[in-house]
Amino acid sequence: RKEVEQDPGPFNVPEGATVAFNCTYSNSASQSFFWYRQDCRKEPKLLMSVYSSGNEDGRFTAQLNRASQYISLLIRDSKLSDSATYLCVVNIVSNTGKLIFGQGTTLQVKP
Amino acid sequence: SQTIHQWPATLVQPVGSPLSLECTVEGTSNPNLYWYRQAAGRGLQLLFYSVGIGQISSEVPQNLSASRPQDRQFILSSKKLLLSDSGFYLCAWRPGYGYGYTFGSGTRLTVV
Repeated sequence: RKEVEQDPGPFNVPEGATVAFNCTYSNSASQSFFWYRQDCRKEPKLLMSVYSSGNEDGRFTAQLNRASQYISLLIRDSKLSDSATYLCVVNIVSNTGKLIFGQGTTLQVKP
Repeated sequence: SQTIHQWPATLVQPVGSPLSLECTVEGTSNPNLYWYRQAAGRGLQLLFYSVGIGQISSEVPQNLSASRPQDRQFILSSKKLLLSDSGFYLCAWRPGYGYGYTFGSGTRLTVV
C-alpha cells in the first residue's frame, strides 16, 4: 500500500464548477499535511497547509479527517488557470522533515 | 527573504558522462535540504536529504551521490550517468517542522 494515495484523474470540469479531490495516507503518526500545485514541467508550489479544523483560502478549502486518515481539497468556481496537478503531501513525525508526496491528481478546467 | 537557486535548468548528457547539479539557499541558516527526482509521468521520489553540513542520508540506492560542503549548498553528482537517470531533478528546503518545502525551479536532465 502506498503511503499517500490519490486518484490520478484526470478530472475534466467546466469553468465555474466545484471539484473535490481526496487523498488517503497510511501512517497514523502523520502530523503535517499540505496540498501542492504543479504546473506542467514546473516545480511543485505550496498551495496550502491543511489543519485539523479545516481551512479556507479564497476558493480553496482543505479538510483533514484523522480518524479516517484522509485529506480533501475543494475548489469552488473553477478557473481555467486552476488546470494543474494537485499533490497531496504528508509529513510523518521525524527529525528529518521528510515529506511524502502522492502521485497527484490532474485537473483540467474547460471553457 | 529566503530564496532557493538551482542550476542548470536543462541538461543533455551522454550515457557514461559525469553529472553535477548545484542548489543553494539564501536568507536562512542550517536548513534541511532535499533532492527529489520526478521521472516523466511519475511522482516525486526522494533521493537524498541533509540536516547539516556533511550529513547526507540516501533514500534510494542508485547511481547518484550527494554532498553538502557548505551550510546552504547541496550538490547532486554522478560519476557515470545511465539512461534511467533522466528526469526532473528538484532541490527543496524547509524552514522548520510544520512547514512545507520550497522547491527550486528544477533541472530537466536527459541522458542520451
